[in-house]
Amino acid sequence: AQSVAQPEDQVNVAEGNPLTVKCTYSVSGNPYLFWYVQYPNRGLQFLLKYITGDNLVKGSYGFEAEFNKSQTSFHLKKPSALVSDSALYFCAVRDMSNAGKSTFGDGTTLTVKP
Amino acid sequence: GAVVSQHPSWVICKSGTSVKIECRSLDFQATTMFWYRQFPKQSLMLMATSNEGSKATYEQGVEKDKFLINHASLTLSTLTVTSAHPEDSSFYICSASGGQRNQPQHFGDGTRLSIL
Repeated sequence: AQSVAQPEDQVNVAEGNPLTVKCTYSVSGNPYLFWYVQYPNRGLQFLLKYITGDNLVKGSYGFEAEFNKSQTSFHLKKPSALVSDSALYFCAVRDMSNAGKSTFGDGTTLTVKP
Repeated sequence: GAVVSQHPSWVICKSGTSVKIECRSLDFQATTMFWYRQFPKQSLMLMATSNEGSKATYEQGVEKDKFLINHASLTLSTLTVTSAHPEDSSFYICSASGGQRNQPQHFGDGTRLSIL
């Protein structure tokens, strides 16, 4: 069985500072990893994914994530946070052998203060 | 990019009524659709997975007679909450996926269901 952990319920950063939202995973086989963002009363929006290739993945809105196989992590990062980045972030791993189901982490609320 | 339209976005109705939520993929063929329920400030709980033309697969603990799912075409899936009660009040989100599983899921904007 696959699982995803987001150890922090809440991350607070000041605008302009770098941000990191943590994610660790557990899968059998190669992981298909995704980050999504959710704004209030909205569905999830895709940010970026790791399938194969370079460990550093760049995505939407200036976000990037680093895949670390030895640490089974896929942390989301941004060099300079914006107030508008404040939202709920979900890490997910997709099981390619089980109808493509995704397992989501519990989510991390990011608050960027001016 | 891929767009999924979910309708309605907000429903308020009396206890005992049935509510239908539609999920449409607008610019791609969705071979698989997923229905989720989300409680405030919590993660998504997968309710069921539906494949076009076949019966939906429900997650453990989800009543299939309560939450009827129909995936009649490659662009439309519906979730009907039958005889809804206040405890069914929640945020319901659909997601559509094409045939390639290394691609992200595309989500609707969700439906806020409030049962009085």
